[in-house]
Amino acid sequence: QSALTQPASMSGSPGQSITISCTGTSSDIGAYNYVSWYQQYPGTAPKLIIYSVDSRPSGVSARFSGSKSGNVASLTISGLQAEDEADYFCASYTGSSTRYRLFGGGTKLTVL
Amino acid sequence: QVQLLQSGAEVQEPGASVKVSCKASGYTFSSYAINWVRQAPGLGLEWMGWISGYNGNTNYAQKFQGRVTMTTDASTTTVYLELRSLKSDDTAVYYCARELRYAAFDYWGQGTLVTVSS
Repeated sequence: QSALTQPASMSGSPGQSITISCTGTSSDIGAYNYVSWYQQYPGTAPKLIIYSVDSRPSGVSARFSGSKSGNVASLTISGLQAEDEADYFCASYTGSSTRYRLFGGGTKLTVL
Repeated sequence: QVQLLQSGAEVQEPGASVKVSCKASGYTFSSYAINWVRQAPGLGLEWMGWISGYNGNTNYAQKFQGRVTMTTDASTTTVYLELRSLKSDDTAVYYCARELRYAAFDYWGQGTLVTVSS
């Protein structure tokens, strides 16, 4: 099972909006509404920021939003802030006969 | 409050085994599955497998089948990950994570660094 595909790095200026893509297949992202996104700072555990494509856990800023179209999921961060500089990972359920979970390779976001 | 507390760092030689523990507290243990995820230095997250807190059923990623065992002890609400025949590229931080929905891990342990070196 191959990892989901994310851009290795992205950058944006404070106040801008940025969208990180996560490309899968018709067996994972395209088949189920079970896509989640994680934010990770160096040396710390990942933090769940979006689940089930577009749901936000309690306490997560509304500046984070998720969506999906076909085999591609997206994370949008609006009103970019310095504290958003981190690594972002997507994940998906694969279902079918394997019932695996898959992660993307991660995107390093730099706030200029 | 929900907490997942993992055991401390380990150094093992190639070919050896390692067993990492993850003690859960602050929620009903049987209501959630625990997943194990690892992260090699400077690299991304890799899903290893899943164990049910309800009945101990497991599902391992194909890459680790035959080399990994996940178990639970409901009496102590602790989950264990055992990885055998260690290789240098098993050097990583190993995380346990509670699964809220499919692929949605809402609480994570602090991570356990496993170093494989002779």
